[in-house]
Amino acid sequence: QKEVEQNSGPLSVPEGAIASLNCTYSDRGSQSFFWYRQYSGKSPELIMFIYSNGDKEDGRFTAQLNKASQYVSLLIRDSQPSDSATYLCAVNIKGFKTIFGAGTRLFVKA
Amino acid sequence: GAGVSQSPRYKVAKRGQDVALRCDPISGHVSLFWYQQALGQGPEFLTYFQNEAQLDKSGLPSDRFFAERPEGSVSTLKIQRTQQEDSAVYLCASSLGKGTQETQYFGPGTRLLVL
Repeated sequence: QKEVEQNSGPLSVPEGAIASLNCTYSDRGSQSFFWYRQYSGKSPELIMFIYSNGDKEDGRFTAQLNKASQYVSLLIRDSQPSDSATYLCAVNIKGFKTIFGAGTRLFVKA
Repeated sequence: GAGVSQSPRYKVAKRGQDVALRCDPISGHVSLFWYQQALGQGPEFLTYFQNEAQLDKSGLPSDRFFAERPEGSVSTLKIQRTQQEDSAVYLCASSLGKGTQETQYFGPGTRLLVL
């Protein structure tokens, strides 16, 4: 079992819809969770981080964390074509080591 | 500059050649990370520095890989006797503090191709 798992996609949604991206992790001791966006040929950029159970909202983005079920999700409301990218889930396992999932490719159709 | 910079941006090496990849973190950032990203995969942790101290090198795939940050700012990742499986994008990231909740800022990466 991989330490951080994501559906590789592609996930295709129409413009204006809600995109839902999911991630599961294996280490129950994980404390910090991050969502990065990576455009093709570019480096990852942080969208959101979440440390506590529940929801965290920032503009069109909502991160959800459920430590009991060991999953973290990202919702993108009012999806735009510019949101088309690969979304990487990252988990701080222990110490300073951050483990990334393989990413989910999102396509937003105009 | 305002962000993390890396050089060279592209490197083509013949199998067996040694390469050195440079990372200039954001000024004042204490923490520095190196990652390896293969095509279609997420970044894979290689090593972590806190100032000049290398606190975690558990992700380095073999003893051909060596990283240093002698003065606590610029870092170099060196790969000796490169192999074709070393072909990947090497990403450097820095963060302001020492905590595990710090935001990591990534550089543009060095794309290494080993022929």
